[in-house]
Amino acid sequence: QKEVEQNSGPLSVPEGAIASLNCTYSDRGSQSFFWYRQYSGKSPELIMFIYSNGDKEDGRFTAQLNKASQYVSLLIRDSQPSDSATYLCALSNEKLTFGTGTRLTIIP
Amino acid sequence: NAGVTQTPKFQVLKTGQSMTLQCAQDMNHNSMYWYRQDPGMGLRLIYYSASEGTTDKGEVPNGYNVSRLNKREFSLRLESAAPSQTSVYFCASRRGYSESGYTFGSGTRLTVV
Repeated sequence: QKEVEQNSGPLSVPEGAIASLNCTYSDRGSQSFFWYRQYSGKSPELIMFIYSNGDKEDGRFTAQLNKASQYVSLLIRDSQPSDSATYLCALSNEKLTFGTGTRLTIIP
Repeated sequence: NAGVTQTPKFQVLKTGQSMTLQCAQDMNHNSMYWYRQDPGMGLRLIYYSASEGTTDKGEVPNGYNVSRLNKREFSLRLESAAPSQTSVYFCASRRGYSESGYTFGSGTRLTVV
């Protein structure tokens, strides 16, 4: 089992709707997680960091962490075409271990 | 703000040739990393350097060597390139704390023919 698993998608969401991206992890001792966004042909850029159970909000983005169920999610409210990208979940320790990413397409 | 600078941006090698990918950061970060990204495989760690003077293998180190030249620079060397090393290579750095994310370079697209 991979350390970090994501549905590769593609996930298509209408403009203005909520996009929900999910990530599960295998190491119950994992403490903190990152979400990155990667546009085609570009390098990943940091969106969110979360280490506490519950929700963390930053603008239109909300990260959710449930350590008991070993999943992390990212919600994008009021989705815009510019949100179309691949979203990478990463588990943080001495290094970051990435999932394979979920490709998100926002349909105008 | 330069951040993390990688050179070159594109490279085509013949099988068996060698080359060095250069990476430099100007953020005084302690830790530096080399990843490769292949379609459907995500980002896979090749080597990393948690601090100046140390290097460690990641998930896919075979066929690569690294040098942490100083705190700023971390190079990746392919001694004898193989077609399986065709990939996009990213260098990244972080301050070293668990809550600190990576800053990525712009990537090197390498093709081995």
